[in-house]
Amino acid sequence: QVQLQESGPRLVQPSGTLSLTCAVSGGSVSSHYWWSWVRQAPGKGLEWIGEVFHSGLKNYNPSLKNRVTISMDKSKNQFSLRLASVTAADTAVYYCARDMGVAAGGPTWEHWGQGTSLVTVSS
Amino acid sequence: QSALTQPPSASGSPGQSVTISCTGTSSDIGGYDYVSWYQHHPGKAPKLMIFEVSKRPSGVPDRFSGSKSGNTASLTVSGLQAEDEADYYCSSYGGSNNRYVFGTGTKVTVL
Repeated sequence: QVQLQESGPRLVQPSGTLSLTCAVSGGSVSSHYWWSWVRQAPGKGLEWIGEVFHSGLKNYNPSLKNRVTISMDKSKNQFSLRLASVTAADTAVYYCARDMGVAAGGPTWEHWGQGTSLVTVSS
Repeated sequence: QSALTQPPSASGSPGQSVTISCTGTSSDIGGYDYVSWYQHHPGKAPKLMIFEVSKRPSGVPDRFSGSKSGNTASLTVSGLQAEDEADYYCSSYGGSNNRYVFGTGTKVTVL
């Protein structure tokens, strides 16, 4: 059973860069799945941030596209999120997730990490 | 990128049914049969309950069912149980330029 675990700092300075990593166990990031990041700001709903495929293909939420980079480190079996120029609006719990692959189409995130603690953007 | 529209809340007594709507546009829900539903208990990871409008992943009870008509998708929970009390989010594919969008979320309360 694939497992995902997010890690990263809980406090980020305004205008700085938020960096998170998702470690994958019980499966390989090199397999044919899309690996995503999703966040939830306090009192708000879920928001899809973006995704990466092992071939290097990436897709981003248009509203975040100018600030987001998602990358993959196959040697460490993990993928990462970098969000630049953060503001208080980026304060959220961040989740990593994996879809169902070729078994289904659309937003089919079947496997999720437990989520970070609240990542706070503050000085 | 606009979120899909869901009612903020829904409720029902144990054993009853509750239906949650999710309204989008012809560019997302109406354009593709790629609607999913997630159950989210606070502090836990979201759980996929329905994918491709009406399909259930292994292990999801058949009390959960999904449907779609035009630009609106729906999730019905039949035979409500206490553990069904959670937030529910729809999500849809929105095309190559606006790949995925979530709904605003609905809090389901079991009375």
